[in-house]
Amino acid sequence: DTAVSQTPKYLVTQMGNDKSIKCEQNLGHDTMYWYKQDSKKFLKIMFSYNNKELIINETVPNRFSPKSPDKAHLNLHINSLELGDSAVYFCASSQGGGRVNSPLHFGNGTRLTVT
Amino acid sequence: SQQGEEDPQALSIQEGENATMNCSYKTSINNLQWYRQNSGRGLVHLILIRSNEREKHSGRLRVTLDTSKKSSSLLITASRAADTASYFCAAGSKLTFGKGITLSVRP
Repeated sequence: DTAVSQTPKYLVTQMGNDKSIKCEQNLGHDTMYWYKQDSKKFLKIMFSYNNKELIINETVPNRFSPKSPDKAHLNLHINSLELGDSAVYFCASSQGGGRVNSPLHFGNGTRLTVT
Repeated sequence: SQQGEEDPQALSIQEGENATMNCSYKTSINNLQWYRQNSGRGLVHLILIRSNEREKHSGRLRVTLDTSKKSSSLLITASRAADTASYFCAAGSKLTFGKGITLSVRP
């Protein structure tokens, strides 16, 4: 299936732990993103990578570090998890050379719960 | 700053009725996009309207764009129970989304 797939779907962990979320797209897109959706459904962009280069880096704590080993993968590593990090994290991809004007294709999300 | 802000926050209609959802944005845009999110799933792109377009259709969807008012509307005609979902607009260079509109279509 052509898609944006992210793992795991659910992640429950304790404060202070370090965790990673993986994302892969087989759509041939050159731009990938991480979005955070809070409990009120507000969806906010965190990072964007175009051909493995960081092009958007919103005001996100340094504890969040994206890693793009190739243009089909964008992983999100989170250090020293805090309660406020609990949210649903969405990976997305698009064509367009890094300009956020092309339609986005989203994964199904990773629900992170920090206890 | 938040670009896409949807209105109303929630909408409940009967199957067969039309649903109209509105979106406002703050700065100049190249295009505006509407997305749909079913519960527990990712967002799905519905339609993109460019800044030089005033209206666009896709099946039962009709989107309008008024750049002078910095607003857009999404009309779903002849709604179905399966249209029940959250709908988001997104605009701006960083494709900022709003909180979405929760649409419930009663069978």
